[in-house]
Amino acid sequence: DGGITQSPKYLFRKEGQNVTLSCEQNLNHDAMYWYRQDPGQGLRLIYYSQIVNDFQKGDIAEGYSVSREKKESFPLTVTSAQKNPTAFYLCASSRSDYFSGNTIYFGEGSWLTVV
Amino acid sequence: GESVGLHLPTLSVQEGDNSIINCAYSNSASDYFIWYKQESGKGPQFIIDIRSNMDKRQGQRVTVLLNKTVKHLSLQIAATQPGDSAVYFCAEIPLYSGNTGKLIFGQGTTLQVKP
Repeated sequence: DGGITQSPKYLFRKEGQNVTLSCEQNLNHDAMYWYRQDPGQGLRLIYYSQIVNDFQKGDIAEGYSVSREKKESFPLTVTSAQKNPTAFYLCASSRSDYFSGNTIYFGEGSWLTVV
Repeated sequence: GESVGLHLPTLSVQEGDNSIINCAYSNSASDYFIWYKQESGKGPQFIIDIRSNMDKRQGQRVTVLLNKTVKHLSLQIAATQPGDSAVYFCAEIPLYSGNTGKLIFGQGTTLQVKP
């Protein structure tokens, strides 16, 4: 089945550690996104990529980094510079030639907790 | 039952009643609006969308109304069912975003359906 796979589902990070969240899609989508969701809040855009080897900062990119070396993969690294990383992280992908609300696919999310 | 998404984050309705979920969007340059449903620990699911050249759009059991004058969006769910219990988000896409999924999400409203 086509879709987006995020891993791990649950991740615990110690203070000062970097952690990487994986996002893989087999939908042949050019565009991929990372959103952060805090409890009781909407999603906020961290980074997005419209094509391989290119990505742009979203609204809350500080303390995060990404890479887009392959079309199907868009890993997110939460660095030690991110002071409040505990949140639910959602990866998404879409076509880049046409966008509509029902053609952006979201993964199942990853919960990151700082311990 | 009715709520204003930003001020009354939880809406409780009786099964079979109609629900109205409201959202005040922020950017007058937004030209595309989407309603998503999110169940706990999962990614958002597309419900319905509307472009700024329309003021009403109907789907199966759902209707979206757009009032550009006051920057207000609402989602009406007819004959609410227990399976409708979830958090509902409105999202907007500004004109300058082009064909990207750079969604701007509202805070969300929790819909609780009482049997």
